[in-house]
Formats: sequence, structure tokens, C-alpha cells
Amino acid sequence: SQELEQSPQSLIVQEGKNLTINCTSSKTLYGLYWYKQKYGEGLIFLMMLQKGGEEKSHEKITAKLDEKKQQSSLHITASQPSHAGIYLCGLRSYNTDKLIFGTGTRLQVFP
Amino acid sequence: NAGVTQTPKFRVLKTGQSMTLLCAQDMNHEYMYWYRQDPGMGLRLIHYSVGEGTTAKGEVPDGYNVSRLKKQNFLLGLESAAPSQTSVYFCASSSGRWETQYFGPGTRLLVL
Repeated sequence: SQELEQSPQSLIVQEGKNLTINCTSSKTLYGLYWYKQKYGEGLIFLMMLQKGGEEKSHEKITAKLDEKKQQSSLHITASQPSHAGIYLCGLRSYNTDKLIFGTGTRLQVFP
Repeated sequence: NAGVTQTPKFRVLKTGQSMTLLCAQDMNHEYMYWYRQDPGMGLRLIHYSVGEGTTAKGEVPDGYNVSRLKKQNFLLGLESAAPSQTSVYFCASSSGRWETQYFGPGTRLLVL
């Protein structure tokens, strides 16, 4: 969706390296969701951010929301092969029942 | 607690054939959604439902119909399949508008 841009589109990193994925919206963010999709499988919910400046962490994954920039970043510390997959961000804008998804970032982690 | 399940997992259709995809959730969620996922296009919303007996159009509703006769089930129908409907279809559910959507494992559909 042009309303939600993810970068980079793909990423190949060596195990142990840190990495960041960005999600930028052309609309005001009222909620930003991060999902992970393993190849050929469904989406797994990671985190939801709602407030400007909010930061959440789960294991080695940290997500932040910059309301002013209308952007969220997902940071993985000390990447592992288990982190490989497609990361998608989803935008919820005001007064809507729907989520708009970005096109995803494909992450590969090699030993 | 199975969460969101989808049947079938994989299907091959010929152009013009019809089929129904079934989504079931056991979380008593009010909201249910059908998406399709295509390379380079991300996830796009087809139809959704905000409660039993209700349906609404999403981003790409043409060629699809849906029904929500029971709260736990959301059916997606293709009346006359076209090759452009070759895709991976995902169902999701949530307890409310602002709540997290939980996804099923997907159905791969190939239309020849």
C-alpha cells in the first residue's frame, strides 16, 4: 500500500548482527501493528504501538513509534536464524475498522 | 483453543468454477476479516464483518462474496473463479475495532 511504506524490502544479515526495519505512514498513526510471517505460514502478532514515543520489547525485538515522523521502527538485536521471515507493519487510522498493511520486509539470517 | 483455522489449506480450481473458503475462530471474536496476499502487493482486505449477520466491503471486494451466519464462522465465496484470483487467502479475527487481529494459517488457491 502506498499509504504505508516499509524499508528495506529485503535484508540479509549475518547471525549476531543488529538490524532495523522501518515503516512510514502517509496518514496519522492511531495504531501500528507489527507481525511476522514465516515462509508459507500465517501471520504472528508481535507488538502493537499506540502512543507517540511508545517503545515495546519482546525478547530481542524492540519496536518504537515516532508519532511526529509518522514512523515506526523494528529493531532486532543479535539476530538469529529463527528471526528469519517476513515482517509486516499494519496501520490503523482514525475511525476505521480496517488495518492497512505494508508490503513487508523479507529478512534472511545466515550463520 | 485452536485460534483461527482455515479450510482448505490448498486448492486448485479451473476458471469459472466456484468454491467456498471457511474460516473458523474459537475466541468469541466479533470482528472477522478476509485478506489476500500477493507478491509485491502485501495484504489487501477483501471483506470483513463486525458481528454475526454483518458484512462490509474492503479494498478489493470484486469477484468475492462473504457470509457470517454464525459468530464463529466467516465464509468467503468465489462464484466464478478467475486466474487473477490466484493468491494466498488469510482470515483474521479480533475482539474489537482497536484490538489485535489474529490470523489463520492461510489457504493457497491456484486458478488455472
